[in-house]
Amino acid sequence: AQSVTQLGSHVSVSEGALVLLRCNYSSSVPPYLFWYVQYPNQGLQLLLKYTSAATLVKGINGFEAEFKKSETSFHLTKPSAHMSDAAEYFCAVSDRAGNMLTFGGGTRLMVKP
Amino acid sequence: EPEVTQTPSHQVTQMGQEVILRCVPISNHLYFYWYRQILGQKVEFLVSFYNNEISEKSEIFDDQFSVERPDGSNFTLKIRSTKLEDSAMYFCASRTDRGLQETQYFGPGTRLLVL
Repeated sequence: AQSVTQLGSHVSVSEGALVLLRCNYSSSVPPYLFWYVQYPNQGLQLLLKYTSAATLVKGINGFEAEFKKSETSFHLTKPSAHMSDAAEYFCAVSDRAGNMLTFGGGTRLMVKP
Repeated sequence: EPEVTQTPSHQVTQMGQEVILRCVPISNHLYFYWYRQILGQKVEFLVSFYNNEISEKSEIFDDQFSVERPDGSNFTLKIRSTKLEDSAMYFCASRTDRGLQETQYFGPGTRLLVL
C-alpha cells in the first residue's frame, strides 16, 4: 500500500523568502509523484510530476521538486515566494501497480507581505 | 486549453435523497475518476472507470455509489441514498490511457451538502 505524509499542515513565509513544502512517501514499487495546488474555491491544478526521468523536476510558477529515493522524499521548493502562491498544496503518489492517486493531507501556504 | 468541467458547483440535499453529480472529462481521455474531500481532510480516491467499467474502487465506494458514462461525453456519480457523512467536495478527474505517469486532470469540484 502506498501513503504520503506532508509535514506541516500550515506553512507561513514572507514574500520573497524561500518556500519549502515537505512530502515523504511510501510505496512498494517505484512511484510516480505529483504536486497539485488548490486555490480557494477551485479544483486541483498540477504543478509538477516525477515519472522516473530527471530527479529534479521543474514545474509551473517557478516551483521545483527533487526526488530522493534514499530519503523517500519529494519536497517542493520555490526560491522566492509571491503573494499569489498562497494556496493549499497536495503531494500525491501513484505507484505502478495501482490506478489511483493517494494524496497527502495538504499544506496550506500563507505568504506575508 | 481543454479542461474537466463539473455540474453543479454546489448541491444541497436532504438525507436519504438521491443525487447525481455530473462531469465532462477532457475529450480524448479514456480513464475517469471520482475523488472526494471531506472538509479539512485528505483528498480520497473513490473509483476509476475505463472502457465502460469500473477498474478500481476504494472501500468508501459501497453499494450506495454508482458511476456511469451515459453518452460519449458525460461521466456521472450517483449516490442513491445520501447520508450526512457524504457531505464533501467531489472531484472528477480524467487522463489519457498512455500510462500511469500521465497526469490526472481535475475538475473544479461539486460541493455536496447533505442536511
